[in-house]
Amino acid sequence: GDSVTQMEGPVTLSEEAFLTINCTYTATGYPSLFWYVQYPGEGLQLLLKATKADDKGSNKGFEATYRKETTSFHLEKGSVQVSDSAVYFCALRILAGGTSYGKLTFGQGTILTVHP
Amino acid sequence: DVKVTQSSRYLVKRTGEKVFLECVQDMDHENMFWYRQDPGLGLRLIYFSYDVKMKEKGDIPEGYSVSREKKERFSLILESASTNQTSMYLCASSLWDLGVPGEGYTFGSGTRLTVV
Repeated sequence: GDSVTQMEGPVTLSEEAFLTINCTYTATGYPSLFWYVQYPGEGLQLLLKATKADDKGSNKGFEATYRKETTSFHLEKGSVQVSDSAVYFCALRILAGGTSYGKLTFGQGTILTVHP
Repeated sequence: DVKVTQSSRYLVKRTGEKVFLECVQDMDHENMFWYRQDPGLGLRLIYFSYDVKMKEKGDIPEGYSVSREKKERFSLILESASTNQTSMYLCASSLWDLGVPGEGYTFGSGTRLTVV
C-alpha cells in the first residue's frame, strides 16, 4: 500500500541554521505530495505542495522538490527561526478513483525545535 | 476565512461513556475525515465521508462510528469510551477531486480527549 517515511526526530537547530527534513514515499499510483505544519496546540496547516515530478513547492522560505526518480520530497529551509518550531508532516495523496477518494497518507511527523 | 471547527478543544470522559466529537466546515466541501494523532504514530485515519449519509472505514475504525446527516457536519462517536482512546482527534475536509491533482485538506484545531 501507499506509505510515507520521514526522518526520525526530534530535530534541534540553532536560529539561522539550514534545515532538511527527509521524506520518501511508496505509492501505487501517481501521487500529489504535501508538507503540513502543526504549531503547538493547533491543527495542521498546509505548508506547501507539488503535484507532478520536478515541481517545486515553496512557502514561507520552505521548499521541497518532487523527485520521482528517488521517490522523495525533502523539506528545506535556508535559515530557520524560533517561530519555525513545530511538527512537520509529509503526506501523499493519490488521485481519487475507485475507492481511494483521494485520501491523504501521512508520515509519522518530525518535531523541529529551533533555539535562539 | 474558511474554517473547520471542532466543538471542543479539551474533553475529559469516563470509561464506558458514549462520546460525541463534532466537526463543522463552512467551505461546502464534499469530503470529511476523522484522524487520531498519537506520539510516534503520526496521524491515523479513523473514518471518512464523501457525501451526506455516506461513510467509509479508515485504517483504525474499531471502537468508533460516524454520522453525517448534513454536508457541513461530521460527527465521530465513541460508543463506549476506553482509556486507549485517549488521544488528539483531528477533523479535516476537502473538495471532491475525482481525476484532478489533489488539493490539500483543511484541518480543525483538534480535540484532546482524555478517558479516565
